Amino acid sequence: AQTVTQSQPEMSVQEAETVTLSCTYDTSENNYYLFWYKQPPSRQMILVIRQEAYKQQNATENRFSVNFQKAAKSFSLKISDSQLGDTAMYFCAFMKQYPGGTSYGKLTFGQGTILTVHP
Amino acid sequence: NAGVTQTPKFQVLKTGQSMTLQCAQDMNHEYMSWYRQDPGMGLRLIHYSVGAGITDQGEVPNGYNVSRSTTEDFPLRLLSAAPSQTSVYFCASSYWRGDTDTQYFGPGTRLTVL
Repeated sequence: AQTVTQSQPEMSVQEAETVTLSCTYDTSENNYYLFWYKQPPSRQMILVIRQEAYKQQNATENRFSVNFQKAAKSFSLKISDSQLGDTAMYFCAFMKQYPGGTSYGKLTFGQGTILTVHP
Repeated sequence: NAGVTQTPKFQVLKTGQSMTLQCAQDMNHEYMSWYRQDPGMGLRLIHYSVGAGITDQGEVPNGYNVSRSTTEDFPLRLLSAAPSQTSVYFCASSYWRGDTDTQYFGPGTRLTVL
């Protein structure tokens, strides 16, 4: 079984500044995916960024980027130029890759980090 | 496409009552799953399905039943509700496209058991 740990229950940042959210995971698997999801007050789960474990290059999506350290089992999310709309709960998630490549849609989530962006 | 829909959005039950949370998707996804979200614990997998007629348990299956008679629908049944089942429930669907599953989440159901 795998576990995902987010050690920062709450974070805050000033608008336009940069913030990094931490995530560590424990697994014996070699093939997997990692995700960051955003959950605003509307409760909707929104995919922010995805990282394939076999890729050494860190994923980026506009203002969002990750620092993926496979040996250290660390997967942090950096948000640059923070905006008020980034205020949300952020979840780190792990998805094991089974033989054949699929994951059967099974995610393991961390506890979440509440991010507040101040004007 | 409506995506993943869940009904109801809110529900209050008394201990011992039964109910079914509905989940439907119109994207012909093969995989569907149910999660519960509790403060400080993130989302935890309750049950999942890899196709019509095929279901399996997740991390926290006790107290919940599922079935999947069609590709579109994946209802979650609480046979005898308990206060410990007070939570927000999310249904998700996904498909395998050769490099990764892409998850689609429903809007959630907030359930309170008194």
